Amino acid sequence: RKEVEQDPGPFNVPEGATVAFNCTYSNSASQSFFWYRQDCRKEPKLLMSVYSSGNEDGRFTAQLNRASQYISLLIRDSKLSDSATYLCVVALYCGATNKLIFGTGTLLAVQP
Amino acid sequence: GAGVSQSPSNKVTEKGKDVELRCDPISGHTALYWYRQSLGQGLEFLIYFQGNSAPDKSGLPSDRFSAERTGGSVSTLTIQRTQQEDSAVYLCASSTDRGGVGGVTEAFFGQGTRLTVV
Repeated sequence: RKEVEQDPGPFNVPEGATVAFNCTYSNSASQSFFWYRQDCRKEPKLLMSVYSSGNEDGRFTAQLNRASQYISLLIRDSKLSDSATYLCVVALYCGATNKLIFGTGTLLAVQP
Repeated sequence: GAGVSQSPSNKVTEKGKDVELRCDPISGHTALYWYRQSLGQGLEFLIYFQGNSAPDKSGLPSDRFSAERTGGSVSTLTIQRTQQEDSAVYLCASSTDRGGVGGVTEAFFGQGTRLTVV
């Protein structure tokens, strides 16, 4: 089983739609969680961290469910510019250091 | 520069040749990662360096791949006897790690080296 699993998509949605991605992780020792965004032919960049209580940044909402070991990303009022691959990232605390583990990403295509 | 720097940005090599890819992380970042991304695919973990600890090499696909990090800073990924399936974008990332639970915040990526083996 992969340490971090995501539905690869693609998710094809119309502009203005609400779309949600889930990600599951296998190691309960995981301590920090993030969503990254990767545009075509570009490097991944941090979109937002995910906090235990859930957090929101404009149209983006991230939630964490430790009991079920999954995190989610909700995008409201989708824009064409939201089209990208969204990567779920988990930081595993082991041996006094934190190792980042990336999922393979979910592709979002927002249609006009 | 302020960001992670990788060189070369593009590399075309003949099958069977050796290549070296370089990563210059953000100054002071203790953690350094190498990933590989084939066209249309997700990130494939290769190797992870953290401070003076032994590197995590669990992602290296074969013994043709090796990496080192000198002086806790610059890293070189070497691929010997390249094969066509090695063609991909090789991404390097670095981050700070304050240690302790939740000690890592954000990883910054370089723009990658696009390797083409012909």
